[in-house]
Amino acid sequence: DIQMTQSPSSLSASVGDRVTITCRASQSISNYLNWYQHKPGKAPKLLIFAASSLQSGVPSRFSGRGSGTDFTLTLSSVQAEDFATYYCQQSYSNPWTFGQGTQVEIK
Amino acid sequence: EVRLLESGGGLVQPGESLRVSCGASGFTFSGYGMSWVRQAPGKGLEWVSAISGGGGGTYYADSVKGRFTISRDNSNNTLYLQMNSLRADDTAVYYCAKESSMVQTSFDFWGQGTLVTVSS
Repeated sequence: DIQMTQSPSSLSASVGDRVTITCRASQSISNYLNWYQHKPGKAPKLLIFAASSLQSGVPSRFSGRGSGTDFTLTLSSVQAEDFATYYCQQSYSNPWTFGQGTQVEIK
Repeated sequence: EVRLLESGGGLVQPGESLRVSCGASGFTFSGYGMSWVRQAPGKGLEWVSAISGGGGGTYYADSVKGRFTISRDNSNNTLYLQMNSLRADDTAVYYCAKESSMVQTSFDFWGQGTLVTVSS
C-alpha cells in the first residue's frame, strides 16, 4: 500500500497568513493526488484534484503543486472559513490512501 | 444539485451485523463509481470500499475484506455497505462519496455521514 505522510500535523495561523501543507508519498504517484478540507460535523470537500487542478467553486486562494512523491497545498491568504483539517489522498493505486491530516487552527 | 444522504447507523454489539445506506440524487447514479470512507473518533479519513458504476467491480481495504460487502441498486439510486462481524475498531462515521468523472479518481461529493458505534 502507498503511505501518505503530511506535515505538519497541526499549525496555527492568523487571518491573512500564507499557509503551506506538505504531503509525501511512499512511492511515486505521478500527479494522482487530491486535497480535501474537512470541518467537524460536515461533509469533506474536494479542493484540488490531479495535484494542481482547482475544483469548481473553490476559491483561487487555494493552490496545489507537485508530482512524483512530494506535493504541497498552499492557502495564499487564510480566511476565517478556512480553519479546518486538510487531507491529501492518492488515487494512483488501490487501496486509495489518505494522509493523517493537518489541522489548521486560529492563532 | 448532487445530494448524498447516509442512513442506517447505530449502536451494535461486537460480532453483530449492520447495513448502512446512501441515497443519491442530482446525477446519473449508474454512471459513477462510489466509495465508502470512514473516520474513527479522533482519527483521520480511511477509505473502506469502492464499487464501479455498473456494480461489477468491487474493492476493499484489507481491514474490512471478508467482513464488509459493498453493493448498489441503480434502479433506486442507493449505495449499501453490509457490515458483518463488527469490531470495536469499526466504530466510526461512515461517509459515502461519489467518484469524479475524470480519468484520475477523486471524491467530488460526499454525504454528511452516519455514525456506527460497536460496543458492548
